[in-house]
Amino acid sequence: GQSLEQPSEVTAVEGAIVQINCTYQTSGFYGLSWYQQHDGGAPTFLSYNALDGLEETGRFSSFLSRSDSYGYLLLQELQMKDSASYFCAVRRGSQGNLIFGKGTKLSVKP
Amino acid sequence: DTEVTQTPKHLVMGMTNKKSLKCEQHMGHRAMYWYKQKAKKPPELMFVYSYEKLSINESVPSRFSPECPNSSLLNLHLHALQPEDSALYLCASSQGGTGASYGYTFGSGTRLTVV
Repeated sequence: GQSLEQPSEVTAVEGAIVQINCTYQTSGFYGLSWYQQHDGGAPTFLSYNALDGLEETGRFSSFLSRSDSYGYLLLQELQMKDSASYFCAVRRGSQGNLIFGKGTKLSVKP
Repeated sequence: DTEVTQTPKHLVMGMTNKKSLKCEQHMGHRAMYWYKQKAKKPPELMFVYSYEKLSINESVPSRFSPECPNSSLLNLHLHALQPEDSALYLCASSQGGTGASYGYTFGSGTRLTVV
């Protein structure tokens, strides 16, 4: 079987830092991705980690530990527009097919 | 062009109808995907096309039939659907390669209602 676990909801205030964790158990692992999805919108690619360590892209950073089957997305200097659902997704095969976690709904309050 | 275009945006169909969803990208991506997403749920993989060939079918019922006429187009043919098939159908494409190029570009989806 396969599973990706992430918190269902997170609330934070503007300007704060929030970390969304993801643990996974999958048949086949090539890398961990993160996607953002606003209500009514399409998922948008944020980051991809194939190797252990931290990847930084602007206010967003993503971390992977393959030995722990664990990763996280770090969002800094939160803005109201960051309120959205965030999905971790495992790239399961060489063809890039992704399996998504259940998503974390982030609410950013003033 | 950095978009994936899906048509129609909304579709209502009866259980005896036949309809098709269309997806188009002009980014030169060689992998294309169909996902199904129910409300407040994650996208679920349905089909993967790699270099215009079907490479993965996630045990999808035969009432869903994918087609890839060329490297830019992906269709999903629908026939005899059930009300529980009502969902947002997302098309995506990716380049492959390393790092960020594995990121998917998603279309805005077709919201399908089966009555």
